[in-house]
Amino acid sequence: AQSVAQPEDQVNVAEGNPLTVKCTYSVSGNPYLFWYVQYPNRGLQFLLKYITGDNLVKGSYGFEAEFNKSQTSFHLKKPSALVSDSALYFCAVRDKRGTGRRALTFGSGTRLQVQP
Amino acid sequence: DTAVSQTPKYLVTQMGNDKSIKCEQNLGHDTMYWYKQDSKKFLKIMFSYNNKELIINETVPNRFSPKSPDKAHLNLHINSLELGDSAVYFCASSQGLGGTDTQYFGPGTRLTVL
Repeated sequence: AQSVAQPEDQVNVAEGNPLTVKCTYSVSGNPYLFWYVQYPNRGLQFLLKYITGDNLVKGSYGFEAEFNKSQTSFHLKKPSALVSDSALYFCAVRDKRGTGRRALTFGSGTRLQVQP
Repeated sequence: DTAVSQTPKYLVTQMGNDKSIKCEQNLGHDTMYWYKQDSKKFLKIMFSYNNKELIINETVPNRFSPKSPDKAHLNLHINSLELGDSAVYFCASSQGLGGTDTQYFGPGTRLTVL
């Protein structure tokens, strides 16, 4: 079984401050991990993914995420938040084993609110 | 150029009706998906197709029937609509079935059943 948890429904941060959106996962084998962002009334947009190799993954719009196997976490980070980053963020996981017929499992989403 | 497109964007209908949602991707991908996002924004896979073959069929009422006429299209037909079917339905596509393949999402279809 595979699952992902986003423990915070909402994260509030002031513009210019660093932001972190948390994600922890559970898989039987090793994970493929993804972050997506959803703006109001829009579809999900891909931000970044971890496949293998370097634990720090850089993605779109200045976002990055750090894979931590011992803590089974994949937190999303940005050094300096923008008001335009305000959106709903989803973490997703897929177990490397049997991926051909295994769906991507999404977390419940975290709403990021960046105040000017 | 829209990569993954869905029609209609909004769909309002009465209980008991039958409706269809269409999805098209121009990315040349082999795999397409349908997801349902409920009112709490929880996103769940419904179906996936690879080269017109059904690959994933999650626990979805058989009132929902996906159809893939070719690998660029995946339509969703819903019979006997119920209040609980109200949600946003997203289509997505990816290059293949590989676990590393990124899924690209359409803009969504907001279905409201009255």
